[in-house]
Amino acid sequence: DAKTTQPNSMESNEEEPVHLPCNHSTISGTDYIHWYRQLPSQGPEYVIHGLTSNVNNRMASLAIAEDRKSSTLILHRATLRDAAVYYCILRSGSGNTGKLIFGQGTTLQVKP
Amino acid sequence: DTAVSQTPKYLVTQMGNDKSIKCEQNLGHDTMYWYKQDSKKFLKIMFSYNNKELIINETVPNRFSPKSPDKAHLNLHINSLELGDSAVYFCASSLRSPGIVYEQYFGPGTRLTVT
Repeated sequence: DAKTTQPNSMESNEEEPVHLPCNHSTISGTDYIHWYRQLPSQGPEYVIHGLTSNVNNRMASLAIAEDRKSSTLILHRATLRDAAVYYCILRSGSGNTGKLIFGQGTTLQVKP
Repeated sequence: DTAVSQTPKYLVTQMGNDKSIKCEQNLGHDTMYWYKQDSKKFLKIMFSYNNKELIINETVPNRFSPKSPDKAHLNLHINSLELGDSAVYFCASSLRSPGIVYEQYFGPGTRLTVT
């Protein structure tokens, strides 16, 4: 599985948008971009995923660069509950065993 | 109506003991996983079962033995516990189909402390 690079930490103010970047310059054509987050003392939870087009769901939006070498998870209005570690993970659509390979993620702090 | 549940939530035991952690999912998924999160918060896949068949075994010591009695359950038995086994163990489940990547649902974790 290809590698991703994320900033170690980011800060945001409550009710402001947050843009969490992820670089994946070695992404292959069959790799999906997945985002998970882990709230304190909880298991990871799925946030969103995409292949080429931008995606929206009730939790967040995912903006994917045209060359697919980077992506950005967008939380439109951060709340205190969004403070978590956010993981950007590439998952191949071919020969897929299903395993998630977690990196260090980005620790998001949300200030009131 | 918990989706993925684990028991126990906390487990404190002494070195050398044998212990088990249980996981159950009621999502109708056919694939289940065990992940380990160490003290530095690094999450790593250990095992995966698809329809009761082992499909991932990530160079985990033989002291760890997963067992899947059916698609809804995946248990983890650990023999001769060592200090380094102290971690949080997460169970997860998902569907699995060739060429399709499904999201995984995680349990709340079992914090194992070996003294």
